[in-house]
Amino acid sequence: EVQLVESGGGLIQPGGSLRLSCAASGFTVSSNYMSWVRQAPGKGLEWVSVIYSGGSTYYADSVKGRFTISRDNSKNTLYLQMNSLRAEDTAVYYCARIEAVGATYFDYWGQGTLVTVSS
Amino acid sequence: QSALTQPASVSGSPGQSITISCTGTSSDVGGYNYVSWYQQHPGKAPKLMIYDVSNRPSGVSNRFSGSKSGNTASLTISGLQAEDEADYYCSSYTSSTWVFGGGTKLTVL
Repeated sequence: EVQLVESGGGLIQPGGSLRLSCAASGFTVSSNYMSWVRQAPGKGLEWVSVIYSGGSTYYADSVKGRFTISRDNSKNTLYLQMNSLRAEDTAVYYCARIEAVGATYFDYWGQGTLVTVSS
Repeated sequence: QSALTQPASVSGSPGQSITISCTGTSSDVGGYNYVSWYQQHPGKAPKLMIYDVSNRPSGVSNRFSGSKSGNTASLTISGLQAEDEADYYCSSYTSSTWVFGGGTKLTVL
């Protein structure tokens, strides 16, 4: 059974850093495309970043240069390193699997982890 | 990376059909057959309902269908049921990035 479990969220001051983790089971992270999607309180979904099976990474303009997506194949875990955090980064962060190499849709989602950026 | 345009809300009575539109540009919705739709109940993670414009994942009711014309994609739910009340989001792939719609709140009257 495919499962994604996020962790690492919390309250952080503006300008601070945080690393989110997404532990996967039931499939191999390195063999799939994996993404982060966020949702500000009461707002819609916003795509954040993707890492392809080959290692290429892409980011939304809103986080480019501040966030870094990565994975640890030995731990089957996806990460999102978030630096220079701003109030507008406050959101629930979901990790999501893209169904297969070459696919373009998110077939499994974690339960999300809340990041609150506030002084 | 501008968000796709969806109506803020739609409503329908049990048994009726409703359609949610999702308008983008030729760079996203109109340029690829890679539109997907997600259902989200309050406090829950999104759930994939339609992928590649009109395909249903295993386990999703055939009451859900998708289509596309030009820069606008649509999600139709037929035979509305109370459990369909949720937020719905469209998404389009666009050259190694993705864009979501603003979301539509479906109310079953």
